[in-house]
Amino acid sequence: KQEVTQIPAALSVPEGENLVLNCSFTDSAIYNLQWFRQDPGKGLTSLLLIQSSQREQTSGRLNASLDKSSGRSTLYIAASQPGDSATYLCAVKTGANNLFFGTGTRLTVIP
Amino acid sequence: EAGVTQSPTHLIKTRGQQATLRCSPISGHTSVYWYQQALGLGLQFLLWYDEGEERNRGNFPPRFSGRQFPNYSSELNVNALELEDSALYLCASNDYRGSYEQYFGPGTRLTVT
Repeated sequence: KQEVTQIPAALSVPEGENLVLNCSFTDSAIYNLQWFRQDPGKGLTSLLLIQSSQREQTSGRLNASLDKSSGRSTLYIAASQPGDSATYLCAVKTGANNLFFGTGTRLTVIP
Repeated sequence: EAGVTQSPTHLIKTRGQQATLRCSPISGHTSVYWYQQALGLGLQFLLWYDEGEERNRGNFPPRFSGRQFPNYSSELNVNALELEDSALYLCASNDYRGSYEQYFGPGTRLTVT
């Protein structure tokens, strides 16, 4: 069974700092990996999707990488801002077409 | 373009009652997915509907059921509610045969007292 782990569970950084969030998964037979953002009590906003054949995707200050063979992905956030404060979730899509989610990293960016 | 919508926003029920949650997918999407986000348990896959059929279900008891209508909207029904069913229920949609990216709605917060 696919298991997805995110480290750290919580992270607090000063504004302007660059940071890296980590995601690992146990079964490398994935179709894609998605990074989401969730604000308290709200739904999910998709940030980046990386297909299994891709190595990385970039959107603005965000860059996500994927190493399928080692079961790892990282989300890099450049020049963090207070508005980036949220919980970040990674999810992998398997052959069964459902997403397996990690437990998330709660990010706080201090002004 | 309208996103995925869910109703109601909040739902309060008593133990033993039934709850019905609704989801409207993005126009053109034929697949709807339901997820449960309970406190301390993370997001867990519940059900996947495509073209009106249930395609896959997660590790949940049969009292969690649903259906998908001809217009691709979907209902999630939870019978015989238990306290541990209190959670945020998220619906997502995609064009299963096109992009695999799932787009999520804002969720329904179900509280069982």
